[in-house]
Amino acid sequence: EAGVTQFPSHSVIEKGQTVTLRCDPISGHDNLYWYRRVMGKEIKFLLHFVKESKQDESGMPNNRFLAERTGGTYSTLKVQPAELEDSGVYFCASSLRAGGLMNTEAFFGQGTRLTVV
Amino acid sequence: AQSVTQPDIHITVSEGASLELRCNYSYGATPYLFWYVQSPGQGLQLLLKYFSGDTLVQGIKGFEAEFKRSQSSFNLRKPSVHWSDAAEYFCAVDPNTGFQKLVFGTGTRLLVSP
Repeated sequence: EAGVTQFPSHSVIEKGQTVTLRCDPISGHDNLYWYRRVMGKEIKFLLHFVKESKQDESGMPNNRFLAERTGGTYSTLKVQPAELEDSGVYFCASSLRAGGLMNTEAFFGQGTRLTVV
Repeated sequence: AQSVTQPDIHITVSEGASLELRCNYSYGATPYLFWYVQSPGQGLQLLLKYFSGDTLVQGIKGFEAEFKRSQSSFNLRKPSVHWSDAAEYFCAVDPNTGFQKLVFGTGTRLLVSP
């Protein structure tokens, strides 16, 4: 079974450009999460989807970030326009269902390293 | 403020030696506790987790962690380190949201010397 897959693995863009990151969760996982790690700092929660709905987007830094989850399957995270401070590693995770944590281990992708120059 | 602290940024251990990675949290109630590992080029992999019950938790790859409520700590241990354990280790908590909205520490990079 395929794990959580993220595309691209690396992206280098200029300040002011737009970048779209993609995450394909494990098939059948209703919950999808985005996290970000800025260089040298902790991994921070961005948002959480349950199927196609945003359950919690309290971690989104500002309105330059837009996340979508079409049909409750894959998700995209768009940054427009990108700024230097957006550089970091963006992780996606998915879990089978929420509640009853014994069965809701979050599986993480390998991350997308975004560099804004 | 609620936070997770991993005081050691880097640790170097000789192969075969024991390992302890420290993690402290500051939450009013006991959160759910996790340790993840990220090997080069890989995603975050769950090593172990603590929700309740026995305070000594066994995980994969020979790791264990002990929850100490009095110290607000959840330290990760391994009795004998292998070269393949070289990676970055993250302590994380879920402050009882039940939705895997995890709060991570800054990570500890483990280097294993021959």
